[in-house]
Amino acid sequence: AQTVTQSQPEMSVQEAETVTLSCTYDTSESDYYLFWYKQPPSRQMILVIRQEAYKQQNATENRFSVNFQKAAKSFSLKISDSQLGDAAMYFCAYRSRKGAGNMLTFGGGTRLMVKP
Amino acid sequence: DSGVTQTPKHLITATGQRVTLRCSPRSGDLSVYWYQQSLDQGLQFLIQYYNGEERAKGNILERFSAQQFPDLHSELNLSSLELGDSALYFCASSPGLADNNEQFFGPGTRLTVL
Repeated sequence: AQTVTQSQPEMSVQEAETVTLSCTYDTSESDYYLFWYKQPPSRQMILVIRQEAYKQQNATENRFSVNFQKAAKSFSLKISDSQLGDAAMYFCAYRSRKGAGNMLTFGGGTRLMVKP
Repeated sequence: DSGVTQTPKHLITATGQRVTLRCSPRSGDLSVYWYQQSLDQGLQFLIQYYNGEERAKGNILERFSAQQFPDLHSELNLSSLELGDSALYFCASSPGLADNNEQFFGPGTRLTVL
């Protein structure tokens, strides 16, 4: 079974600065998807960015980018020019391309605080 | 707004009771997923339905059951409730089974068992 680990329960960043959230995962598969989800105080789960394991190029979405290191099984999220609205829980998630289902396996989450 | 609706938003009940959580997927989505978010277990997958049929099962307790109806809405039934079942229950939907489909999450149902 796959596992996802987020080793930073909490992170803090100054507004307009850059912060990196860490995620590692364990899998024996070679092809899969990785995601970062944001959960603001409203509790809504919002997809931030996704990476396909067969793509070497790191995904980017505006101020959000990832550093995908397949051999190291590492998938970190970089938030540039942090804004107050970025304050939230961030979850790293894994999805296999094998098997009958498309379920997500989540890490424990990192709470990001943004200081004005 | 993801287009996925869940009712009720909040539910408070007592141990030993039974409750039903309802989910309406986005228009046209055939796959529905249920996830549980609790302090103890984090966010974990419970079960997936596709076009009315069970597709995959996760860490779902025997006291819990789900189904997807012909109009594609889904219900999660929780029975013999225990204090530890208090959690936020999310429903998500996706268009089909293609593995590049994004899952869209509903706002969740907050269950409190007293």
